[in-house]
Amino acid sequence: AQSVSQHNHHVILSEAASLELGCNYSYGGTVNLFWYVQYPGQHLQLLLKYFSGDPLVKGIKGFEAEFIKSKFSFNLRKPSVQWSDTAEYFCAVEDDYKLSFGAGTTVTVRA
Amino acid sequence: KAGVTQTPRYLIKTRGQQVTLSCSPISGHRSVSWYQQTPGQGLQFLFEYFSETQRNKGNFPGRFSGRQFSNSRSEMNVSTLELGDSALYLCASSRGTGTGSYEQYFGPGTRLTVT
Repeated sequence: AQSVSQHNHHVILSEAASLELGCNYSYGGTVNLFWYVQYPGQHLQLLLKYFSGDPLVKGIKGFEAEFIKSKFSFNLRKPSVQWSDTAEYFCAVEDDYKLSFGAGTTVTVRA
Repeated sequence: KAGVTQTPRYLIKTRGQQVTLSCSPISGHRSVSWYQQTPGQGLQFLFEYFSETQRNKGNFPGRFSGRQFSNSRSEMNVSTLELGDSALYLCASSRGTGTGSYEQYFGPGTRLTVT
């Protein structure tokens, strides 16, 4: 079974700071990788995805993620965060039509 | 395009009762998955249906069941409710096959409270 680890439980940043959230997964085969975001009071939204090809993928709202196969990692980045990026972020791995999620990282951006 | 819709949005039930939750996928999506979200366990996969067939199932007791109809709409049922079943139940839909088949789009969830 897949396991997904997110390195940080809670991250607090100031606006314009850079953000990097770590994600590691356990499965060594071909995987489909995702980052989802849950803004306060809203439902889970797909931020970005990786299926194959260029390991650096770009998503919505200026987010990007890098897939490093040798490290089983799929880290999320944003060069300059805004107050509106305050949310909970989930890394997920798809295997056999099933998403396995990390525990989530709460990101708080201070204005 | 309308998103995934779930009904009801909120539900309060008593221990021992049963409950049925409904999910309507995005138009054209044939796969529906269900997840349970709790503060302690996070997001956990319940099951996935494609063309009325269950393709995968998570590690939940048999009290949790689901089905999918020919129009891709899905229901999940929890029988003999326990306090620990209190959670946000999320439905997600995807194409289920072909390009983009693995991209799951989530609904707002049904908040179930068991008293």
